[in-house]
Amino acid sequence: KAGVTQTPRYLIKTRGQQVTLSCSPISGHRSVSWYQQTPGQGLQFLFEYFSETQRNKGNFPGRFSGRQFSNSRSEMNVSTLELGDSALYLCASSSSDRGNSPLHFGNGTRLTVT
Amino acid sequence: AQSVSQHNHHVILSEAASLELGCNYSYGGTVNLFWYVQYPGQHLQLLLKYFSGDPLVKGIKGFEAEFIKSKFSFNLRKPSVQWSDTAEYFCAVTPGAGNNRKLIWGLGTSLAVNP
Repeated sequence: KAGVTQTPRYLIKTRGQQVTLSCSPISGHRSVSWYQQTPGQGLQFLFEYFSETQRNKGNFPGRFSGRQFSNSRSEMNVSTLELGDSALYLCASSSSDRGNSPLHFGNGTRLTVT
Repeated sequence: AQSVSQHNHHVILSEAASLELGCNYSYGGTVNLFWYVQYPGQHLQLLLKYFSGDPLVKGIKGFEAEFIKSKFSFNLRKPSVQWSDTAEYFCAVTPGAGNNRKLIWGLGTSLAVNP
């Protein structure tokens, strides 16, 4: 089975721009979660989608949004980029929406905002 | 606010040494507990998990962890480490039962094993 695929791997954007990141989950997985990873804050939960519905949302401003398509692929969007949005954005999929179901991570998208 | 603390940020060991990485969480109710590992150049992957039953859980590559509810702890152990265990280790918790997928993570522990 192919793993979780995130594109692009690297992105450089300018402050004020917007960006869209893509995630293709493992085939058959309907749950997709997004995390932001920074050296100072570690991994922080952004949101989770299951069968095209947002199930949970973390404590991020409304500039961070996401969606999930009928084929379970997911995108997250960050508008009006700020320098502090520079981070590794990780996507994870799971076969279940249960809290004890493990996550399968992609390699992430490294976003640099200048 | 709910949080997860990993006490050791950097650990350096020689091969064959024993390993224990501490993890404490702040939540009084039911929890699901996880240890994830990230080997150099690879993605995060599950090492082991606990959600009910025997508080001593075994994972891949000889790792185990013990859930001690009274101490809000879920420490990771391995009796004899190998050079290939060099990686970053993350403890994570989902508070509550059901379909809460909002994982709360520790900041990670970087383990370097010298051959």
